Amino acid sequence: DAMVIQNPRYQVTQFGKPVTLSCSQTLNHNVMYWYQQKSSQAPKLLFHYYDKDFNNEADTPDNFQSRRPNTSFCFLDIRSPGLGDAAMYLCATSRDIGRNYEQYFGPGTRLTVT
Amino acid sequence: QQQVKQSPQSLIVQKGGISIINCAYENTAFDYFPWYQQFPGKGPALLIAIRPDVSEKKEGRFTISFNKSAKQFSLHIMDSQPGDSATYFCAASGRSNYQLIWGAGTKLIIKP
Repeated sequence: DAMVIQNPRYQVTQFGKPVTLSCSQTLNHNVMYWYQQKSSQAPKLLFHYYDKDFNNEADTPDNFQSRRPNTSFCFLDIRSPGLGDAAMYLCATSRDIGRNYEQYFGPGTRLTVT
Repeated sequence: QQQVKQSPQSLIVQKGGISIINCAYENTAFDYFPWYQQFPGKGPALLIAIRPDVSEKKEGRFTISFNKSAKQFSLHIMDSQPGDSATYFCAASGRSNYQLIWGAGTKLIIKP
């Protein structure tokens, strides 16, 4: 039944050590999003893919990259995690772009940076 | 102008009471106003959404009231239950903006 799956659910990495978070979806949606959510804050959009087209938010640090090798999978790469990157990372999908299309969120990956 | 202001930051309601969370926006181009519910350790889930052509939308115990002239909208949870304890986010988006503009969130606790 899981529609948006994120692995791992918890990730611990060391300061400066690259880390990759993964997201997969069974909905066959065109759009996949990555959000960062810090404690007691709203989700913050980092970037999204519309099919293979990558769209980066203007204020997303260069330290964050993403890959979408196929419709079902999307990866978030953090090249050199800092302590400030500790957060919950949420993947979401929608059938198409825009306000008519509900975003479905995964359970998130909680990243700890030591 | 892109902000959505949400209040209160936290709310405690007795079981069976009415929970009310308020949001206000500035951008008149917004025309879609969803509410998301997030339980601890889970991703947000769409609860209910409204467009400005109606002043109220009800789904079960959840109602959105919308005041276009005041640029405000609110979530009412009737007969609040302990299982409603969660963080609630209002959001907004418009025709020219795919991105959801989120409120800061309200942590709701329903006391048995």
